[in-house]
Amino acid sequence: EAGVAQSPRYKIIEKRQSVAFWCNPISGHATLYWYQQILGQGPKLLIQFQNNGVVDDSQLPKDRFSAERLKGVDSTLKIQPAKLEDSAVYLCASSPQGNQPQHFGDGTRLSIL
Amino acid sequence: DAKTTQPNSMESNEEEPVHLPCNHSTISGTDYIHWYRQLPSQGPEYVIHGLTSNVNNRMASLAIAEDRKSSTLILHRATLRDAAVYYCIPLTGTSYGKLTFGQGTILTVHP
Repeated sequence: EAGVAQSPRYKIIEKRQSVAFWCNPISGHATLYWYQQILGQGPKLLIQFQNNGVVDDSQLPKDRFSAERLKGVDSTLKIQPAKLEDSAVYLCASSPQGNQPQHFGDGTRLSIL
Repeated sequence: DAKTTQPNSMESNEEEPVHLPCNHSTISGTDYIHWYRQLPSQGPEYVIHGLTSNVNNRMASLAIAEDRKSSTLILHRATLRDAAVYYCIPLTGTSYGKLTFGQGTILTVHP
């Protein structure tokens, strides 16, 4: 079984620029999650999708972050404009349904200069 | 969400058993206890979960206290590959799978 695929693996941008991350979940997984992990901390949920609908985006900074999951498969997370405090690893995870074990990708490490 | 307390770090020698404790005194009766681990430069990896009785799988065992206020993840024979951050996460039935990660326990395994 192929795992959760994320790209790019690394990204370096300057503050106020925009950036996008892509996630391809495990085939057949209905639930998709985006987490932000700041250095030295545990991951924090940003947004959760069930198929192509949003279940929870309460911790997503909506003034600068957006996410979509077209057709209930792949997902993109965008930051526009980026701030220095957005430097983190962005992790995507998927599960067959909510409350089932999640499978994580290896993340995108974002550095803001 | 139930609050958890884990030691910041633990050490073990290779091929010895490791017992990783977690206190979750505010857990509700329907919360499952999930354990994930995160190896360096990788995303978290599911390890095991349980509700009341002890659970075993190919990776580890989970011992849950009778009052459910604490649990212990048991690695029967630690290997160098088990060096990781281990997270204990109570998961409520109404959370739709939302994982709330704490600081976790950094496990160091010595050869």
